[in-house]
Amino acid sequence: EVQLVESGGGLVQPGRSLRLSCTASGFTFGDYAMSWFRQAPGKGLEWVGIIRSKAYDERTDYAASLMGRFTIARDDSKSIAYLQMNSLIADDTAVYYCSREKTLTRARAFDIWGQGTVVTVSS
Amino acid sequence: DIVMTQSPDSLAVSLGERATLNCKSSQSVFHSTDKKNYLAWYQQKPGQPPRLLIYWASTRESGVPDRFSGSGSGTDFTLTISSLQAEDVALYYCQQHQDIPITIGQGTRLEIK
Repeated sequence: EVQLVESGGGLVQPGRSLRLSCTASGFTFGDYAMSWFRQAPGKGLEWVGIIRSKAYDERTDYAASLMGRFTIARDDSKSIAYLQMNSLIADDTAVYYCSREKTLTRARAFDIWGQGTVVTVSS
Repeated sequence: DIVMTQSPDSLAVSLGERATLNCKSSQSVFHSTDKKNYLAWYQQKPGQPPRLLIYWASTRESGVPDRFSGSGSGTDFTLTISSLQAEDVALYYCQQHQDIPITIGQGTRLEIK
């Protein structure tokens, strides 16, 4: 079964860091670009960033609003994508989803999603 | 950034009737080399992640019922549900990936009248 499972969320104080993991199974992880999205309570979806496959040099892009605080990495040997979040602020409170891009068909859409992990930034 | 604007914000439709959801982009999302509109539609139910319904503006994702269809090109797009079922109550989002940053509309909430 094709699956993504996020982990690493929780309660964190403002200014601290947190690393989320997205563990993939059921497909050849290294062939796909992976993206992170987030959804604040009661709000819409927001794109966080993307990491492309090794075939595309693992190039990353991010939402400008994050001002360089977030970094995405991948470990294809473990089938895991990471979201490193630094200098967290209250507005980063959200459910964080990882998703798989339909890379092989070049569709630039996201067909597999994890169930999400909750990040709460509060003192 | 390409701004995605969906209309209406909420929509109530009777069971079995047609639902029409709109999405407008501030710039064209048509890729002239690939000849594709990089516009996708997602459905999100409470407590669940989004589900991909449509990509390339009009290609139905595998497993999506054929009552869902997408149309449009350039800057104006439509998601149509031909005969609304109770399980279609959800939030619907359009998303463009023609350019970075990837941007998403604010969503349309679909309810039963």
